[in-house]
Amino acid sequence: QVQLIQSGAEMKKPGASVKVSCKTSGYTFTTYGVSWVRQAPGQGLEWVGYINTYNGDTNYAQNLHDRVTMTTDTSTSTAFMELRSLKSNDTAVYFCARDDYSNYAFWGQGTLVTVSS
Amino acid sequence: IQLTQSPSSLSASVGDRVTITCRASQGISTYLAWYQQRPGKAPKLLIYAASSLQDGVPPRFSGSASGTDFTLTISSLQPEDFTNYYCQQLYTYPYTFGQGTKLEIK
Repeated sequence: QVQLIQSGAEMKKPGASVKVSCKTSGYTFTTYGVSWVRQAPGQGLEWVGYINTYNGDTNYAQNLHDRVTMTTDTSTSTAFMELRSLKSNDTAVYFCARDDYSNYAFWGQGTLVTVSS
Repeated sequence: IQLTQSPSSLSASVGDRVTITCRASQGISTYLAWYQQRPGKAPKLLIYAASSLQDGVPPRFSGSASGTDFTLTISSLQPEDFTNYYCQQLYTYPYTFGQGTKLEIK
């Protein structure tokens, strides 16, 4: 069965970086892209970006494009999202999702990233 | 592309029929999905391509489209349906979400 398993919660100080992993299984990794979505406490869903797992092409949200990098390791079927220069308003649960071209049918369990001094 | 989702909250009773609307700021064909999200959980896909029911989702959920207006209808509310709902456009990047609708028990 399709699974996306994310790395554990992180606590970071402002200005630091965080790298969240999303290990996939149950399908051919390079057939579908991976998208990232975040949700600040008590808020709605915010699209963060997308990576084409076949060729590495990326597309990032405009408000994050200078601080976020998405990568993959095809040998382990894992996607990564790194966010730099963290700010307090980056505190959120970060989800990865398999991009099924017209929907996100499979999601990771979410990773809480807390940014606090 | 901006998605305007309404209402932001809705009170209803078990057995009621409810409709949630999502309006796109420009044409997105039928590249719209609806998700249900329970607190502390990942979103769950309900409807894709505006009106296609995801496998395993009860048929009381349905979606429709008219131009840039999209609707999610729950025909007969069940107790487990009282939670949060989001629309998302997947027509062009960035793949924006609506602001969400909180469905509460009256």
